[in-house]
Amino acid sequence: DGGITQSPKYLFRKEGQNVTLSCEQNLNHDAMYWYRQDPGQGLRLIYYSQIVNDFQKGDIAEGYSVSREKKESFPLTVTSAQKNPTAFYLCASKASGRKNTGELFFGEGSRLTVL
Amino acid sequence: QKEVEQNSGPLSVPEGAIASLNCTYSDRGSQSFFWYRQYSGKSPELIMFIYSNGDKEDGRFTAQLNKASQYVSLLIRDSQPSDSATYLCAVKENGVNFNKFYFGSGTKLNVKP
Repeated sequence: DGGITQSPKYLFRKEGQNVTLSCEQNLNHDAMYWYRQDPGQGLRLIYYSQIVNDFQKGDIAEGYSVSREKKESFPLTVTSAQKNPTAFYLCASKASGRKNTGELFFGEGSRLTVL
Repeated sequence: QKEVEQNSGPLSVPEGAIASLNCTYSDRGSQSFFWYRQYSGKSPELIMFIYSNGDKEDGRFTAQLNKASQYVSLLIRDSQPSDSATYLCAVKENGVNFNKFYFGSGTKLNVKP
Protein backbone atom coordinates (compact mmCIF):
# COMPACT_ATOMS: atom_id res chain seq x y z
CA ASP A 1 0.00 0.00 0.00
CA GLY A 2 1.15 3.54 -0.70
CA GLY A 3 1.96 5.79 2.16
CA ILE A 4 4.48 7.77 4.15
CA THR A 5 6.83 6.05 6.57
CA GLN A 6 8.55 7.93 9.33
CA SER A 7 11.25 6.49 11.56
CA PRO A 8 12.00 6.20 14.32
CA LYS A 9 8.64 6.58 16.03
CA TYR A 10 10.28 7.52 19.33
CA LEU A 11 13.74 8.96 19.80
CA PHE A 12 15.66 10.12 22.82
CA ARG A 13 18.62 12.41 22.45
CA LYS A 14 21.15 13.94 24.76
CA GLU A 15 21.71 17.65 24.56
CA GLY A 16 24.34 18.60 22.00
CA GLN A 17 23.68 15.64 19.72
CA ASN A 18 22.42 15.84 16.16
CA VAL A 19 19.66 13.41 15.16
CA THR A 20 18.17 12.58 11.78
CA LEU A 21 14.51 11.70 11.29
CA SER A 22 13.68 9.62 8.26
CA CYS A 23 10.72 10.19 5.93
CA GLU A 24 10.03 7.97 2.92
CA GLN A 25 6.99 8.04 0.62
CA ASN A 26 5.92 5.73 -2.18
CA LEU A 27 3.01 7.90 -3.34
CA ASN A 28 5.03 9.46 -6.18
CA HIS A 29 4.36 12.90 -4.69
CA ASP A 30 6.53 15.83 -5.71
CA ALA A 31 6.08 17.99 -2.61
CA MET A 32 7.22 16.96 0.86
CA TYR A 33 7.07 18.76 4.18
CA TRP A 34 8.30 18.70 7.75
CA TYR A 35 6.14 20.11 10.53
CA ARG A 36 6.73 20.42 14.23
CA GLN A 37 3.91 20.14 16.78
CA ASP A 38 4.23 21.09 20.43
CA PRO A 39 1.66 20.03 23.06
CA GLY A 40 -1.65 21.81 22.55
CA GLN A 41 -0.33 23.59 19.49
CA GLY A 42 -0.94 23.46 15.78
CA LEU A 43 1.56 22.49 13.12
CA ARG A 44 4.47 24.78 12.34
CA LEU A 45 6.35 24.41 9.07
CA ILE A 46 10.06 23.67 9.33
CA TYR A 47 11.05 22.98 5.71
CA TYR A 48 9.31 21.99 2.52
CA SER A 49 10.43 20.74 -0.87
CA GLN A 50 8.47 21.11 -4.08
CA ILE A 51 10.84 19.08 -6.21
CA VAL A 52 13.97 16.95 -5.98
CA ASN A 53 17.17 18.86 -5.15
CA ASP A 54 15.22 21.91 -4.04
CA PHE A 55 13.81 22.93 -0.68
CA GLN A 56 12.66 26.08 1.12
CA LYS A 57 12.74 27.20 4.72
CA GLY A 58 9.49 27.32 6.59
CA ASP A 59 8.65 29.50 9.55
CA ILE A 60 10.90 27.78 12.11
CA ALA A 61 13.89 26.45 10.11
CA GLU A 62 16.60 27.56 12.55
CA GLY A 63 18.44 24.59 14.01
CA TYR A 64 17.17 22.17 11.37
CA SER A 65 18.50 20.96 8.04
CA VAL A 66 17.06 18.81 5.23
CA SER A 67 18.03 17.24 1.93
CA ARG A 68 16.00 16.06 -1.05
CA GLU A 69 18.28 13.88 -3.15
CA LYS A 70 15.51 11.48 -4.12
CA LYS A 71 11.84 12.03 -4.81
CA GLU A 72 10.90 9.42 -2.22
CA SER A 73 13.01 10.70 0.66
CA PHE A 74 13.11 13.89 2.72
CA PRO A 75 15.18 13.39 5.90
CA LEU A 76 15.24 16.02 8.64
CA THR A 77 18.28 16.63 10.84
CA VAL A 78 17.71 18.26 14.19
CA THR A 79 21.01 19.89 15.05
CA SER A 80 22.44 20.88 18.39
CA ALA A 81 21.68 24.48 17.45
CA GLN A 82 17.95 23.85 17.93
CA LYS A 83 17.29 25.27 21.39
CA ASN A 84 14.17 23.32 22.27
CA PRO A 85 13.92 20.24 20.05
CA THR A 86 11.56 18.13 22.17
CA ALA A 87 8.42 17.86 20.03
CA PHE A 88 6.30 15.70 17.75
CA TYR A 89 7.61 15.83 14.18
CA LEU A 90 5.33 15.16 11.23
CA CYS A 91 6.35 14.51 7.65
CA ALA A 92 3.80 15.04 4.89
CA SER A 93 3.58 14.91 1.12
CA LYS A 94 1.29 16.27 -1.57
CA ALA A 95 0.52 15.30 -5.12
CA SER A 96 0.90 17.80 -7.94
CA GLY A 97 -1.44 18.59 -10.76
CA ARG A 98 -4.82 20.26 -11.09
CA LYS A 99 -6.78 17.01 -10.75
CA ASN A 100 -5.51 16.41 -7.26
CA THR A 101 -7.35 17.63 -4.19
CA GLY A 102 -4.30 19.37 -2.86
CA GLU A 103 -4.46 17.66 0.50
CA LEU A 104 -1.49 16.76 2.62
CA PHE A 105 -0.85 13.11 3.47
CA PHE A 106 0.88 12.61 6.81
CA GLY A 107 3.20 10.01 8.21
CA GLU A 108 2.64 8.64 11.71
CA GLY A 109 5.08 11.07 13.27
CA SER A 110 8.30 10.89 15.23
CA ARG A 111 8.38 11.94 18.87
CA LEU A 112 11.74 13.37 19.87
CA THR A 113 12.66 13.85 23.51
CA VAL A 114 15.84 15.58 24.59
CA LEU A 115 17.14 14.36 27.93
CA GLN B 1 3.30 35.85 8.40
CA LYS B 2 -0.07 34.52 7.33
CA GLU B 3 -2.31 33.47 10.21
CA VAL B 4 -5.03 30.92 10.77
CA GLU B 5 -7.04 31.36 13.95
CA GLN B 6 -9.13 28.79 15.79
CA ASN B 7 -10.72 28.73 19.22
CA SER B 8 -8.67 26.21 21.17
CA GLY B 9 -11.67 24.97 23.16
CA PRO B 10 -12.39 22.52 24.52
CA LEU B 11 -15.78 22.49 22.87
CA SER B 12 -18.09 20.11 24.69
CA VAL B 13 -21.28 18.83 23.08
CA PRO B 14 -23.62 15.98 24.04
CA GLU B 15 -23.84 12.91 21.87
CA GLY B 16 -26.21 13.47 18.97
CA ALA B 17 -25.82 17.26 18.94
CA ILE B 18 -24.30 19.45 16.23
CA ALA B 19 -20.72 20.56 16.80
CA SER B 20 -19.67 23.81 15.13
CA LEU B 21 -15.98 24.53 14.62
CA ASN B 22 -14.76 27.85 13.29
CA CYS B 23 -11.64 29.17 11.61
CA THR B 24 -10.56 32.57 10.28
CA TYR B 25 -7.58 33.26 8.05
CA SER B 26 -5.59 36.34 7.19
CA ASP B 27 -4.55 35.75 3.56
CA ARG B 28 -7.36 37.06 1.36
CA GLY B 29 -5.80 35.37 -1.67
CA SER B 30 -6.09 31.84 -0.27
CA GLN B 31 -8.20 29.50 -2.37
CA SER B 32 -8.01 26.07 -0.72
CA PHE B 33 -9.13 25.12 2.77
CA PHE B 34 -8.87 21.86 4.65
CA TRP B 35 -10.16 20.35 7.88
CA TYR B 36 -8.07 17.66 9.55
CA ARG B 37 -8.94 15.54 12.56
CA GLN B 38 -6.17 14.58 14.95
CA TYR B 39 -6.55 12.07 17.75
CA SER B 40 -4.21 12.43 20.70
CA GLY B 41 -0.72 11.22 19.84
CA LYS B 42 -1.63 10.49 16.21
CA SER B 43 -1.08 12.24 12.93
CA PRO B 44 -3.76 14.40 11.27
CA GLU B 45 -6.20 12.85 8.84
CA LEU B 46 -8.22 14.74 6.25
CA ILE B 47 -11.91 15.24 6.97
CA MET B 48 -12.88 17.63 4.21
CA PHE B 49 -11.59 20.20 1.77
CA ILE B 50 -13.44 23.15 0.27
CA TYR B 51 -12.52 25.56 -2.48
CA SER B 52 -15.73 27.42 -3.33
CA ASN B 53 -17.92 29.74 -1.32
CA GLY B 54 -20.91 28.06 0.24
CA ASP B 55 -21.48 24.66 1.79
CA LYS B 56 -20.02 21.28 1.03
CA GLU B 57 -21.52 18.19 2.62
CA ASP B 58 -20.00 14.76 3.15
CA GLY B 59 -21.98 12.43 5.36
CA ARG B 60 -22.28 13.96 8.84
CA PHE B 61 -19.78 16.70 7.99
CA THR B 62 -20.47 20.05 6.34
CA ALA B 63 -17.78 22.56 5.51
CA GLN B 64 -18.79 26.19 5.00
CA LEU B 65 -16.64 28.81 3.30
CA ASN B 66 -17.12 32.57 3.15
CA LYS B 67 -14.15 34.13 1.37
CA ALA B 68 -15.45 37.69 1.79
CA SER B 69 -15.38 37.26 5.56
CA GLN B 70 -12.26 35.03 5.43
CA TYR B 71 -14.07 32.42 7.44
CA VAL B 72 -14.36 28.66 7.15
CA SER B 73 -16.30 26.35 9.44
CA LEU B 74 -16.96 22.67 9.99
CA LEU B 75 -20.28 21.32 11.23
CA ILE B 76 -20.52 17.81 12.61
CA ARG B 77 -24.08 16.51 12.82
CA ASP B 78 -25.15 13.70 15.15
CA SER B 79 -21.87 13.98 17.05
CA GLN B 80 -20.47 10.71 18.35
CA PRO B 81 -17.96 10.08 21.17
CA SER B 82 -15.57 8.84 18.46
CA ASP B 83 -15.58 12.38 17.04
CA SER B 84 -13.76 13.55 20.17
CA ALA B 85 -10.45 14.84 18.81
CA THR B 86 -8.64 18.02 17.88
CA TYR B 87 -9.75 19.57 14.59
CA LEU B 88 -7.15 21.49 12.63
CA CYS B 89 -8.00 24.09 10.01
CA ALA B 90 -5.44 24.41 7.20
CA VAL B 91 -5.16 27.03 4.48
CA LYS B 92 -3.12 26.55 1.32
CA GLU B 93 -1.27 29.58 0.09
CA ASN B 94 -1.85 30.87 -3.41
CA GLY B 95 0.65 32.33 -5.82
CA VAL B 96 4.37 31.53 -5.95
CA ASN B 97 4.25 29.56 -2.68
CA PHE B 98 1.25 27.55 -3.82
CA ASN B 99 2.51 24.43 -2.07
CA LYS B 100 2.69 26.06 1.34
CA PHE B 101 0.09 25.38 4.04
CA TYR B 102 -0.72 27.22 7.24
CA PHE B 103 -2.40 25.49 10.17
CA GLY B 104 -4.46 26.80 13.03
CA SER B 105 -3.70 25.64 16.55
CA GLY B 106 -6.76 23.39 16.53
CA THR B 107 -10.05 23.12 18.41
CA LYS B 108 -10.41 20.27 20.86
CA LEU B 109 -13.86 18.67 20.66
CA ASN B 110 -15.31 16.54 23.46
CA VAL B 111 -18.48 14.62 22.69
CA LYS B 112 -20.10 13.41 25.90
CA PRO B 113 -22.09 10.16 25.84
